[in-house]
Amino acid sequence: DTAVSQTPKYLVTQMGNDKSIKCEQNLGHDTMYWYKQDSKKFLKIMFSYNNKELIINETVPNRFSPKSPDKAHLNLHINSLELGDSAVYFCASSLQMGNEQFFGPGTRLTVL
Amino acid sequence: QKEVEQDPGPLSVPEGAIVSLNCTYSNSAFQYFMWYRQYSRKGPELLMYTYSSGNKEDGRFTAQVDKSSKYISLFIRDSQPSDSATYLCALGRAGGSYIPTFGRGTSLIVHP
Repeated sequence: DTAVSQTPKYLVTQMGNDKSIKCEQNLGHDTMYWYKQDSKKFLKIMFSYNNKELIINETVPNRFSPKSPDKAHLNLHINSLELGDSAVYFCASSLQMGNEQFFGPGTRLTVL
Repeated sequence: QKEVEQDPGPLSVPEGAIVSLNCTYSNSAFQYFMWYRQYSRKGPELLMYTYSSGNKEDGRFTAQVDKSSKYISLFIRDSQPSDSATYLCALGRAGGSYIPTFGRGTSLIVHP
């Protein structure tokens, strides 16, 4: 059983396009997260949702818009993609804020 | 100074060696400590989780926390090629409203 799943696994697109990444967790967790991992492997928090409510929004361009239709899903929409958006995006969940996190397999985004 | 410092490596060791991976931190508000393992092209997975100073053992893995020195370690005994991965420390604050702060990860290579 996949605990935290993301789609798609790979995404290759042109600069200026709009794309979405989907995340689902079947762990019954209240909190979900989006992280960006750059080429140097540094894992940087982008957003955190607790029970569908946005809790943390780090310094992220407003081209990035998360949406949580229910507490098991957290999607990430990116408008007007730029070269610097190329990275691996990880979704994660935890029972509550501050607890250990379970990560999805990642979405490798390449912007050409 | 970053809140969490971790040498990116790579650290290359022969099979069977004892591996020591370390993180230092500057904020005494950190109260719980985690180690994640990330294989290439996969999401991080939780290895160890501890609240207190001292040692916690799980099979070949031992997590050590020294709060007075603000220093945490992960030891791997009898290292195997399958241990080759990036190891990330993550530190959390008490109160349940904080997202753990991740180190940038140390790349470990165990060669046969």
